[in-house]
Amino acid sequence: EAGVAQSPRYKIIEKRQSVAFWCNPISGHATLYWYQQILGQGPKLLIQFQNNGVVDDSQLPKDRFSAERLKGVDSTLKIQPAKLEDSAVYLCASSLAGGATYGYTFGSGTRLTVV
Amino acid sequence: RKEVEQDPGPFNVPEGATVAFNCTYSNSASQSFFWYRQDCRKEPKLLMSVYSSGNEDGRFTAQLNRASQYISLLIRDSKLSDSATYLCVANRRGGSYIPTFGRGTSLIVHP
Repeated sequence: EAGVAQSPRYKIIEKRQSVAFWCNPISGHATLYWYQQILGQGPKLLIQFQNNGVVDDSQLPKDRFSAERLKGVDSTLKIQPAKLEDSAVYLCASSLAGGATYGYTFGSGTRLTVV
Repeated sequence: RKEVEQDPGPFNVPEGATVAFNCTYSNSASQSFFWYRQDCRKEPKLLMSVYSSGNEDGRFTAQLNRASQYISLLIRDSKLSDSATYLCVANRRGGSYIPTFGRGTSLIVHP
């Protein structure tokens, strides 16, 4: 089965610019997650979707970050405007049945550098 | 206090050694748990689920202690290829299951 697809793999932008990341989950996976992983830390959940509804976005900095999953399949995460501290790897993951039983499958991530 | 805590290490062990990591979670509503492995500059990959009765997969054993709110991972007969960061995950129920990752424990296995 095809894995979780993410693009781009790398992105370098200047602070105050905007950037968008794209994720296509594994076919049939209803739950989609966006994580931010800063070097030396564990993945931090930004937003979790169940189909096209938001389950949790309590750690999403909503003044600059937004995410959507309009048709319940692929998703985009946007940062506008970017700050230096947004430099991180942005990981998308998907799961069957909310992930409690079978865990989550991650994409390769997008490595963002803000200069 | 962080919801999921791990000792970042690194744990530096010789080949063939047995090593154990613990992970504590603070939310008693956490209901399912996993161990993930993450290699340098790669995405996390599922290593194993953690069941209440404990479970084993080859050289790896995972255990859950609900009373003390921790999970553990035991690696026997360490291989060089086991060098990686090991992340624990706790799922808490909140409408749907919401996963929280620890910061990871770094393991370095040397010859």
